[in-house]
Amino acid sequence: DVKVTQSSRYLVKRTGEKVFLECVQDMDHENMFWYRQDPGLGLRLIYFSYDVKMKEKGDIPEGYSVSREKKERFSLILESASTNQTSMYLCASSFVGRGTEAFFGQGTRLTVV
Amino acid sequence: GNSVTQMEGPVTLSEEAFLTINCTYTATGYPSLFWYVQYPGEGLQLLLKATKADDKGSNKGFEATYRKETTSFHLEKGSVQVSDSAVYFCALSEGGYQKVTFGTGTKLQVIP
Repeated sequence: DVKVTQSSRYLVKRTGEKVFLECVQDMDHENMFWYRQDPGLGLRLIYFSYDVKMKEKGDIPEGYSVSREKKERFSLILESASTNQTSMYLCASSFVGRGTEAFFGQGTRLTVV
Repeated sequence: GNSVTQMEGPVTLSEEAFLTINCTYTATGYPSLFWYVQYPGEGLQLLLKATKADDKGSNKGFEATYRKETTSFHLEKGSVQVSDSAVYFCALSEGGYQKVTFGTGTKLQVIP
């Protein structure tokens, strides 16, 4: 079974802290994605990566950065957490190719206080 | 850019009722279309997909047909069960890296 593992299910951080969300996949997928999920807004793409050290901005990259040093690991970084970044964060991975399925982790619910 | 519009929820149905969740899309190219489902407390998982016009995706009694002329991919099920209660997301992917764009999700509640 494909597995996408996010390092934490729940996190509480203080405003201004630097926050790292980690995601690991075990299927040798080229693509990895970070989304945030908010009620009424669905899933919005923050960043995606199609190869090691390669990244592309998604629809809402402001306030975030990413790192992909190894193919299986994709990290989301909140440089200085703010309360409006309180959300559910979902990591996903997929092969490159038409119609390929994205596999999702369980999500990290981040609360910034 | 690409976008996906799906009907607002929540949708509440009685067990064995017929389900339709509407989904329309805007895309610059020729996308693949998906329905993902999120059960309470879980991540998203693929429900069904279609990669070309007139294709029908199906799984677990759910169906959706890729209609290029109306840019739609409506989800249907003939008889819903309580266990179908979840949030359903319509999505598309296209381009070299198959970036996925999601709709806002429709929450379905099925009551006995």
